[in-house]
Amino acid sequence: DTGVSQDPRHKITKRGQNVTFRCDPISEHNRLYWYRQTLGQGPEFLTYFQNEAQLEKSRLLSDRFSAERPKGSFSTLEIQRTEQGDSAMYLCASSSGGTQTFGPGTRLTVT
Amino acid sequence: AQSVTQLDSQVPVFEEAPVELRCNYSSSVSVYLFWYVQYPNQGLQLLLKYLSGSTLVKGINGFEAEFNKSQTSFHLRKPSVHISDTAEYFCAVSASYNTDKLIFGTGTRLQVFP
Repeated sequence: DTGVSQDPRHKITKRGQNVTFRCDPISEHNRLYWYRQTLGQGPEFLTYFQNEAQLEKSRLLSDRFSAERPKGSFSTLEIQRTEQGDSAMYLCASSSGGTQTFGPGTRLTVT
Repeated sequence: AQSVTQLDSQVPVFEEAPVELRCNYSSSVSVYLFWYVQYPNQGLQLLLKYLSGSTLVKGINGFEAEFNKSQTSFHLRKPSVHISDTAEYFCAVSASYNTDKLIFGTGTRLQVFP
């Protein structure tokens, strides 16, 4: 068990560009979660998957955001046409229905 | 819906002193409560959780928390802090019937001075 991993750890992009983040959950966990954390705030729920099914999406997840978990293992979060307000830490977590285990996060900076 | 209030944004304390980080929650249904710690440039690590049973919960690194239903609180305590406890601490709540949606507080920055 190597824990939850996220790639990349840091991403700097220019406004208007698309970015994609990857999350690899703990192998036996069937649930995967995405959160966003802005400076000075706690994590905010974005969406979660049970296996490959996306079961809930927050209103924070605008049309520019899309998340997938095609084979029920790793997940990707894509942000299209990035805006400066998208600058944040994007956290992934996984669980088997109980306590969520978090990854190290991907820090996005939009210039 | 649930909500969490962490009353102190920053708590400065000297090494070996006791500390309490305050957390209050709001919910119309029964809840599970969590404390997570976040070290700089890292993800969140679970310190402890309350699901049911004894209201005094012990966690890792010498931390403990007490669930108080009447005061809707879940304060985190440590009798003697170390420099290495310097970090951001987050209280979180979920409805007991839906652990998939964690609601976090805004965090408390614990700064331990030598």
